[in-house]
Amino acid sequence: EVRLVQSGAVVKKPGDSLRISCKTYGYSFTNYWLGWVRQRPGKGLEWMGTIYPDDSDTGYNPSVRGQVTISSDKSINTAYLQWSSLRASDTAMYYCARPANKQWLDAFDMWGQGTMVIVSS
Amino acid sequence: EIVLTQSPGTLSLSPGERATLSCRASQHITGRYLAWYQQKPGQAPRLLISGASNRATGIPDRFSGSGSGTDFSLTISGLEPEDCAVYYCQQYVDSPGVSFGGGTKVEIK
Repeated sequence: EVRLVQSGAVVKKPGDSLRISCKTYGYSFTNYWLGWVRQRPGKGLEWMGTIYPDDSDTGYNPSVRGQVTISSDKSINTAYLQWSSLRASDTAMYYCARPANKQWLDAFDMWGQGTMVIVSS
Repeated sequence: EIVLTQSPGTLSLSPGERATLSCRASQHITGRYLAWYQQKPGQAPRLLISGASNRATGIPDRFSGSGSGTDFSLTISGLEPEDCAVYYCQQYVDSPGVSFGGGTKVEIK
């Protein structure tokens, strides 16, 4: 069974650093791209970026490029989304999602449960 | 960059009625690379349709997708109470990456 299991909710202060994770099960981690999607409170879905774990090739939405870093560790089948300095505007639910086919642009057929990040002073 | 505009913003219908949701793209979407998702409160999105009209595994046949070019639609035939959700379209053809529409909320009277 394919599963994407994300790390738990966090509360941070502006300026803090943070790394959230997405551990995958039930498929070949290095053979599929894996993406991150943001959803701010009460708002819609926004694609942030996608990584190919086999060689760490990564593409970012220009709206977040330079503000976050997407990485992966293929030894533990886990992808990460990282901030070096959080802002209040980073408050959101973050989902990892796997494309249905082995393509970097694709529909997402498997989703993690989401990680809520709250940034507040 | 392709911008997706969904309409209406909210749709309020009775059980058993037909819901038609629209997704309009700012540019032609080649290959019909358009997907639809359902998101219920407190849950992750669920893939309903990919390739504009192909139902994902386990999706009931009351959900159907159609369209091409710049105009796409999702139809829910015979609304059921559990269809109360927000529905998003997504394109996956254009660089720099995928993009989503703003969503349509379906309410059941």
